[in-house]
Amino acid sequence: QVHLIQSGAEVKKPGASVKVSCKVSGLSLNKVSMHWVRQAPGQGLEWMGGFEPEDGETIFAQKFQGRVSVTEDTSAETAYLQVNRLTSEDTATYYCATGAMALWGQGTRVIVSS
Amino acid sequence: SYELIQPPSVSVSPGQTARITCSGDALPQKYAYWYQQKSGQVPVLVIYEDDKRPSEIPEKFSGSSSGTVATLTISGAQVDDEADYYCYSTDSSGNHGGVFGGGTKLTVL
Repeated sequence: QVHLIQSGAEVKKPGASVKVSCKVSGLSLNKVSMHWVRQAPGQGLEWMGGFEPEDGETIFAQKFQGRVSVTEDTSAETAYLQVNRLTSEDTATYYCATGAMALWGQGTRVIVSS
Repeated sequence: SYELIQPPSVSVSPGQTARITCSGDALPQKYAYWYQQKSGQVPVLVIYEDDKRPSEIPEKFSGSSSGTVATLTISGAQVDDEADYYCYSTDSSGNHGGVFGGGTKLTVL
């Protein structure tokens, strides 16, 4: 059975960076197309970025370009999302999801507060 | 930027059919996906590629797409179906970026 296991909650100060991890269990990381989605408190789902097979690379929503990156450690079967220059508006639960976003991690809560 | 438009809320009585729409200019060319999110829980895929249902999702959930509108239909809605429902699709322009609709709160009472 395949699972996505995310890292624990983070509290960061404005201007800092956060790195959220997503470990794939039961499947090889290089066989999945990973998406990243976030949800601010009381708000809807927001697609941040994901692997686009047509382009062969991860693409990001325009509002995140230049501030967000993804990396992978295939030996650890883990993908990482890094968000830089955090503001209070980045306070949200961050999810990794794979396939047609059929499988989701449990979410990582990130709080940005001075 | 590309948008998918959903009604903020839909309300039906138990046993009735609930229909939730999602409007987007690229939907004639791109698939729609639907996710159910109950309060405090992780989203669950209920419909993919317009009208396909994952094996673990009850048959009461169905999807369709015509022109610029995709529709999620929940037949015989029950209190347990109360949730936020989100459509997702991708832009047909060069960016190919994904986007979620604003979400629809389904109330069954």
